[in-house]
Amino acid sequence: NAGVTQTPKFQVLKTGQSMTLQCAQDMNHNSMYWYRQDPGMGLRLIYYSASEGTTDKGEVPNGYNVSRLNKREFSLRLESAAPSQTSVYFCASSEQGMNTEAFFGQGTRLTVV
Amino acid sequence: KNQVEQSPQSLIILEGKNCTLQCNYTVSPFSNLRWYKQDTGRGPVSLTIMTFSENTKSNGRYTATLDADTKQSSLHITASQLSDSASYICVVSAGGSYIPTFGRGTSLIVHP
Repeated sequence: NAGVTQTPKFQVLKTGQSMTLQCAQDMNHNSMYWYRQDPGMGLRLIYYSASEGTTDKGEVPNGYNVSRLNKREFSLRLESAAPSQTSVYFCASSEQGMNTEAFFGQGTRLTVV
Repeated sequence: KNQVEQSPQSLIILEGKNCTLQCNYTVSPFSNLRWYKQDTGRGPVSLTIMTFSENTKSNGRYTATLDADTKQSSLHITASQLSDSASYICVVSAGGSYIPTFGRGTSLIVHP
């Protein structure tokens, strides 16, 4: 029962570098999400995928792109990292939309220097 | 604008004591309200879900209440344990929306 698996767990980038955060779920969920969590800010939705083949912007999409590779996998890409993107990133999945229980990964702690 | 406010921001209690966390929301139209527990360095885990018609729901030592008229929810923790030390996040979903509104959380520390 892996649930939601994120890689990597930690990453340090230099300003301007690019990277992709990977997320996979094994619960056959339709919906997947990427959140960022900053101190004192709570969780904020970056992008979501309501179902395979669709993606939509959340509250804070600027500087990010996503790909729903298949039903299991949803990746988040930073094309040109900025210090403001230093955060903890969480991937989540749910059966269908956030009205159903969301299961979160363990997070990726990203530092951009 | 949809908002979720949680109080207190942080709380320190002794092991074995009870505590109550508060959540006020202005999300409309209301669909459901969830309480999540987030241990340090981990992702949030759902504790309970409350729908419009539910007033109280329990999950072990955790009891959530919902007053849809006043748009308030509380999470009561009974006989606290050291493992209850965590951040508790209130999340409210609006009908027809994929984007729920997250509160900033209450940080609970349980001391022996």
